Amino acid sequence: SYVLTQPPSVSVAPGQTARITCGGNNIGSKSVHWYQQKPGQAPVLVVYGDSDRPSGIPERFSGSNSGNMATLTISRVEAGDEADYYCQVWDSSSDHYVFGTGTKVTVL
Amino acid sequence: EVQLVETGGGLIQPGGSLRLSCAAPEFSVSSSYMNWVRQAPGKGLEWVSVIYSGGSTYYADSVKGRFTISRDNSKNTLYLQMNSLRAEDTAVYYCARVLYCSRTRCYLYYMDVWGKGTTVTVSS
Repeated sequence: SYVLTQPPSVSVAPGQTARITCGGNNIGSKSVHWYQQKPGQAPVLVVYGDSDRPSGIPERFSGSNSGNMATLTISRVEAGDEADYYCQVWDSSSDHYVFGTGTKVTVL
Repeated sequence: EVQLVETGGGLIQPGGSLRLSCAAPEFSVSSSYMNWVRQAPGKGLEWVSVIYSGGSTYYADSVKGRFTISRDNSKNTLYLQMNSLRAEDTAVYYCARVLYCSRTRCYLYYMDVWGKGTTVTVSS
């Protein structure tokens, strides 16, 4: 089965840039989506199709995907960005949906 | 704002059964792709099952043969029938709408709308 690996945690100072990676075998050939989840809340889509943003998501959130790594970048980090972030792909070989292991972003 | 509302969670003994429901007041469940996703306490997100608009269904290996996803078109409601429940099925269960295409391309399969979740606790 397809596996997505994320770092358990990322710490960043306010105003700086946070980069969250999502590693998978030839992930660049897949479409990667990112979700933000705050404590006690449902996940919220922040990036889809590698780099597109849903309406209402700030331009500070951006994504890229190439080779064996996808990256979610949060620019000018704010306290409200503190949350868990998950990457996700659809595995066409099994018709299964795969989530990454999740990354906790802490704003210092 | 598009919403999904899950109900049916609760405390159930190991080996028992439970049926979760997901109502979608603002779009057609039968015309959509719909997922169930769960999250065990303190853990990450785990995909459980999908039903496509054509009726095809798929399951995670961890629930295959025990869980059944279905929908009632007349009630515009998605279901997850859970049998032979185990302690490891304890989780918050979310339903989510899956979008196959954006405005510019397809083969995406991302979840744009999520419910608030319903909690299932399997314990004696």
